[in-house]
Amino acid sequence: AQSVAQPEDQVNVAEGNPLTVKCTYSVSGNPYLFWYVQYPNRGLQFLLKYITGDNLVKGSYGFEAEFNKSQTSFHLKKPSALVSDSALYFCAVRDMNNNAGNMLTFGGGTRLMVKP
Amino acid sequence: DAGITQSPRHKVTETGTPVTLRCHQTENHRYMYWYRQDPGHGLRLIHYSYGVKDTDKGEVSDGYSVSRSKTEDFLLTLESATSSQTSVYFCAINPKRIAGGPRDTQYFGPGTRLTVL
Repeated sequence: AQSVAQPEDQVNVAEGNPLTVKCTYSVSGNPYLFWYVQYPNRGLQFLLKYITGDNLVKGSYGFEAEFNKSQTSFHLKKPSALVSDSALYFCAVRDMNNNAGNMLTFGGGTRLMVKP
Repeated sequence: DAGITQSPRHKVTETGTPVTLRCHQTENHRYMYWYRQDPGHGLRLIHYSYGVKDTDKGEVSDGYSVSRSKTEDFLLTLESATSSQTSVYFCAINPKRIAGGPRDTQYFGPGTRLTVL
């Protein structure tokens, strides 16, 4: 079984400050990890993913995420938040060893609010 | 939205009526997925398909059926809609490389907002 937890329903940050959106996961095998962003009335847009290799992954719009195997975490970060980053963020996991259908499991989502 | 269209984009229906949602893709991808999005639950997988006439259940498949008679279309049917099926439904595809392993990234359509009264 695979699962994802996003412990914060909402994160508030001031524009220009660094932001972190937290994600922890559970898989029986090796994880593929993803972050998606959803703007109002839109579908999900892919931000970044971790498959293997460097634990720090860089993605779209200046976002990055750090894979930490010992803490089973994949937190999303950005050094300087923009008001336009305000959106709903989803973390997702896929167990690469036990997943014939390439199925993703999503966290409940975290709403990021960046205030001017 | 990754070349995926969904129709209709909005629908209001009454309890007990059948509803079919359509997902259409233009690039011959093998894997297609249907999710529902509800506050606090993120996205939950309903059904997925790994080829024409090849489908399997996801996490929340009760009350839903799917069909895939051709590569480009993946249909989701609510045989008898209930108010608990009021949700936003997203279709996704998972492109694979022509040679080698999968790209491992799902891409999503724009969604269908379904309201069951």
